Amino acid sequence: DSGVTQTPKHLITATGQRVTLRCSPRSGDLSVYWYQQSLDQGLQFLIHYYNGEERAKGNILERFSAQQFPDLHSELNLSSLELGDSALYFCASSGQGDYGYTFGSGTRLTVV
Amino acid sequence: GQNIDQPTEMTATEGAIVQINCTYQTSGFNGLFWYQQHAGEAPTFLSYNVLDGLEEKGRFSSFLSRSKGYSYLLLKELQMKDSASYLCAVMDSNYQLIWGAGTKLIIKP
Repeated sequence: DSGVTQTPKHLITATGQRVTLRCSPRSGDLSVYWYQQSLDQGLQFLIHYYNGEERAKGNILERFSAQQFPDLHSELNLSSLELGDSALYFCASSGQGDYGYTFGSGTRLTVV
Repeated sequence: GQNIDQPTEMTATEGAIVQINCTYQTSGFNGLFWYQQHAGEAPTFLSYNVLDGLEEKGRFSSFLSRSKGYSYLLLKELQMKDSASYLCAVMDSNYQLIWGAGTKLIIKP
């Protein structure tokens, strides 16, 4: 157990729908990062939050949004889903003095 | 722009040694990381280099040359469980990790 919790582990939904993915970082970590990984592809950085504030944005579609709450958990909202949004979505967290990021086990999203 | 290059795929034999190379061009440098990722699973941390030279950790070693923008991950005494993707990542001047596309390592008996 890495200490980063993601729910749900699996999600199957239809095109056009909206879903919310949830991430709880390791205790004490202020930074949360979201990544998308399509089949046999590399990690695509979506967005970074630090202590509730957006710090950096990657290739995140306008249909996607995220936020980090006062208790430091984060949610990634995906709307108007398309077949191409099917992927593994990873959350990672980091804290002061950390080397690199610690990843959660991911949410596998399947859009049908 | 920022760029990290590593081979797409490599094949090696069980018990042998393999070296996975990574070259990078980033805005700033605050360390280079190697992660291992088994299919369908989360990346897990393997090594961190911020100074030039070799860092050894059991069967795995990682080397860095900052002047050449180059690193390699060396895996010795390969085991079947080492079949995975190996991701090279560089922390830039904004302390963001920039990721390579990963090298898929196939181990054959």
